[in-house]
Amino acid sequence: AQKVTQAQTEISVVEKEDVTLDCVYETRDTTYYLFWYKQPPSGELVFLIRRNSFDEQNEISGRYSWNFQKSTSSFNFTITASQVVDSAVYFCALSGSSGSARQLTFGSGTQLTVLP
Amino acid sequence: DAGVIQSPRHEVTEMGQEVTLRCKPISGHDYLFWYRQTMMRGLELLIYFNNNVPIDDSGMPEDRFSAKMPNASFSTLKIQPSEPRDSAVYFCASSPQGPHEQYFGPGTRLTVT
Repeated sequence: AQKVTQAQTEISVVEKEDVTLDCVYETRDTTYYLFWYKQPPSGELVFLIRRNSFDEQNEISGRYSWNFQKSTSSFNFTITASQVVDSAVYFCALSGSSGSARQLTFGSGTQLTVLP
Repeated sequence: DAGVIQSPRHEVTEMGQEVTLRCKPISGHDYLFWYRQTMMRGLELLIYFNNNVPIDDSGMPEDRFSAKMPNASFSTLKIQPSEPRDSAVYFCASSPQGPHEQYFGPGTRLTVT
């Protein structure tokens, strides 16, 4: 069985602060894929990044960066110099390579509020 | 490029009525997914299709729910009869072949009174 844990239910920061959203996953698959999605107040789910289990290289995209560590089964997401527009619920998700491999298992989400 | 299209965006209905939610996936995507999002249960996968064929419907809560995909560009999720506990946001998503990310539609907010 697959599981994604986002222990931080809510985080509140002041604009320009850096913030890290934690994601810990469990899977028995040796090949798997990790994702982050953003759900702003408008409600849509926006894809941010996909990571393959065989590629542990960290990734940076503008103010966003992701730290993937297989040793700790974590895929954390950092926003540098946060902005009010970053306020949203962020979901970490996992898909495997066996069984219903196309299924995304979502974490419960972290509500990020960036205060001006 | 057009994203995943869902209709209606909002639906308010009375208990016992039939509800039909519609989805048009991104052209060329082979997989289509239906999800339900509630505060209590988060995002749940209800069913998904590959090349119009249902692959896994183990997430469909009960026989009142049914989904079809008559062609590559259209899918429906039907609830008959609807109940207040079905109130939720229903998302449709699609993805291409291979281990790709899913692209979500804007969702349908269903309220059953």
